[in-house]
Amino acid sequence: NAGVTQTPKFQVLKTGQSMTLQCAQDMNHEYMSWYRQDPGMGLRLIHYSVGAGITDQGEVPNGYNVSRSTTEDFPLRLLSAAPSQTSVYFCASSRDFRTDTQYFGPGTRLTVL
Amino acid sequence: AQSVTQLGSHVSVSEGALVLLRCNYSSSVPPYLFWYVQYPNQGLQLLLKYTSAATLVKGINGFEAEFKKSETSFHLTKPSAHMSDAAEYFCAVSARGGGSYIPTFGRGTSLIVHP
Repeated sequence: NAGVTQTPKFQVLKTGQSMTLQCAQDMNHEYMSWYRQDPGMGLRLIHYSVGAGITDQGEVPNGYNVSRSTTEDFPLRLLSAAPSQTSVYFCASSRDFRTDTQYFGPGTRLTVL
Repeated sequence: AQSVTQLGSHVSVSEGALVLLRCNYSSSVPPYLFWYVQYPNQGLQLLLKYTSAATLVKGINGFEAEFKKSETSFHLTKPSAHMSDAAEYFCAVSARGGGSYIPTFGRGTSLIVHP
């Protein structure tokens, strides 16, 4: 099992550019989520999904878009990058949000100039 | 709403000393609580979790945590710190929102271990 994979590992964007962060899991988990990690702020939930075709907003959804067409993949789109989106992004998956362990990817470090 | 509060953004200990990382939660229903560890430049991984089976929970690498309902706490301890324990530690709880449970993380505590 590869677990949760994320690409790219590093990315530099200019303000206004768009891009997609990829996330895939091979554990057949229904639940997937995207977080951003900023110094002193912990992990903040951006968007989450409880199954293919079902997504919802988390704590900080503005400027991001998601879709879930398959169980395995959960891409995160930045529509028009802003410097405030400079952060480390983590994708995670689990069998259940309430009781189960979340399995995290290695992260994508994004810098917006 | 449920949330977690981690007291102290940084905790510094000497190698061999007791490690105590504090986590308090607010919950209107019996919670499921988690501690995760993040080593530098890596994703988070589970240390241990409380799912109501036992109040004292043992995790990996010699860590344990005790669920205390009366104090709404789930503090993480380790009797003797090792240099390899230096990392960021996160307490987490799942909070009800939008019809499903949503994971909520504390702001994290950075553990510094001095030789």
